[in-house]
Amino acid sequence: AQSVAQPEDQVNVAEGNPLTVKCTYSVSGNPYLFWYVQYPNRGLQFLLKYITGDNLVKGSYGFEAEFNKSQTSFHLKKPSALVSDSALYFCAVRDRSSSNTGKLIFGQGTTLQVKP
Amino acid sequence: DTAVSQTPKYLVTQMGNDKSIKCEQNLGHDTMYWYKQDSKKFLKIMFSYNNKELIINETVPNRFSPKSPDKAHLNLHINSLELGDSAVYFCASSQVTRAGGSTDTQYFGPGTRLTVL
Repeated sequence: AQSVAQPEDQVNVAEGNPLTVKCTYSVSGNPYLFWYVQYPNRGLQFLLKYITGDNLVKGSYGFEAEFNKSQTSFHLKKPSALVSDSALYFCAVRDRSSSNTGKLIFGQGTTLQVKP
Repeated sequence: DTAVSQTPKYLVTQMGNDKSIKCEQNLGHDTMYWYKQDSKKFLKIMFSYNNKELIINETVPNRFSPKSPDKAHLNLHINSLELGDSAVYFCASSQVTRAGGSTDTQYFGPGTRLTVL
């Protein structure tokens, strides 16, 4: 069964420090991987995705993610956190070997708290 | 220039009522989705339409009926509302091409917070 796991409910980091939000996946074929961010009382905003090619993907707002096939991980990173990065982050996967339905499976979300 | 819009933003209603949520996208995408986000923030797909054709129908009660009058619209009608239907409902759209590659990024609307009393 396809699944995505975000092992941390919350990540706390001081402003200016690097941050990592973890994600691991399980799919039957090669995955499409996505990160979305949800600010309070807002919809989900697309941050970045991995389809193929370079394992390091750069996205919006200075975020990047590293695809690691051997560890089946796609951790979200940022070199220097901002207070405004505080939000709920979702990792999602789509199994590209499935029929072309576009169905995304989301992790349970990780709340990022950046303190001044 | 709102890409994916939903109305209403908030919906408060009594148990047993019937209500609809509307979604429109102006991105020219061929596929639209409905997701439900529960009180624990967990997101789960409910339905997906591709070119007005239903392609995903997860285990959702029959009280929920999506309707797609055209590619740019996907409405969600809910009959006989129950307390457990209280959630935030998100509409999304993407371009899912069937030949060659697909960018397949889904763009989400702002959500509709449904409260059933």
